[in-house]
Amino acid sequence: EAGVTQSPTHLIKTRGQQATLRCSPISGHTSVYWYQQALGLGLQFLLWYDEGEERNRGNFPPRFSGRQFPNYSSELNVNALELEDSALYLCASSLAPGGLQETQYFGPGTRLLVL
Amino acid sequence: GQQVMQIPQYQHVQEGEDFTTYCNSSTTLSNIQWYKQRPGGHPVFLIQLVKSGEVKKQKRLTFQFGEAKKNSSLHITATQTTDVGTYFCAGTGGGADGLTFGKGTHLIIQP
Repeated sequence: EAGVTQSPTHLIKTRGQQATLRCSPISGHTSVYWYQQALGLGLQFLLWYDEGEERNRGNFPPRFSGRQFPNYSSELNVNALELEDSALYLCASSLAPGGLQETQYFGPGTRLLVL
Repeated sequence: GQQVMQIPQYQHVQEGEDFTTYCNSSTTLSNIQWYKQRPGGHPVFLIQLVKSGEVKKQKRLTFQFGEAKKNSSLHITATQTTDVGTYFCAGTGGGADGLTFGKGTHLIIQP
């Protein structure tokens, strides 16, 4: 069974540009989560999508946005990039929200560098 | 909102010594999960605890869920260099809250 996949693996942008990161969950998983992990820091929760809807949002500015498609894949968009947006962006998927089935399976991440 | 605190942030041990990381939640949890992230890698699920006072073991790793379901610990006996990485706890109150991750404990092992 294929795991969570993310693309691209690396992304280099300049300040003010926009970045689009993509995630494909494990087959059968309906929930997708996005996290930002800056160098040496923990997982900062960004966004959670389930069944195409945004279920929860972390403490990030509106220039961080995303969506989930009917096939449950997801995009994370970061507008007006700033230097401090440089980080590893991790996507995770799970079977369903709530209850005992919330084990999250992480993808390899997209490493975003803003110059 | 729910907060999950994890200590220590960093732990240096000599190879062969034991290691423990602690996780505390501001609210009662329905379950708690532990993840390990190797340097340069992504978090990988280790285990889930659900019952009050539950203790689970995986070889040299012992996971415990507190009686009040507000704290948890991960203990590694006789650490090895392969144990290097960051250990995250993550808790959920259930429903639509989702998982809240702790900041993680970075385990550094000196041979």
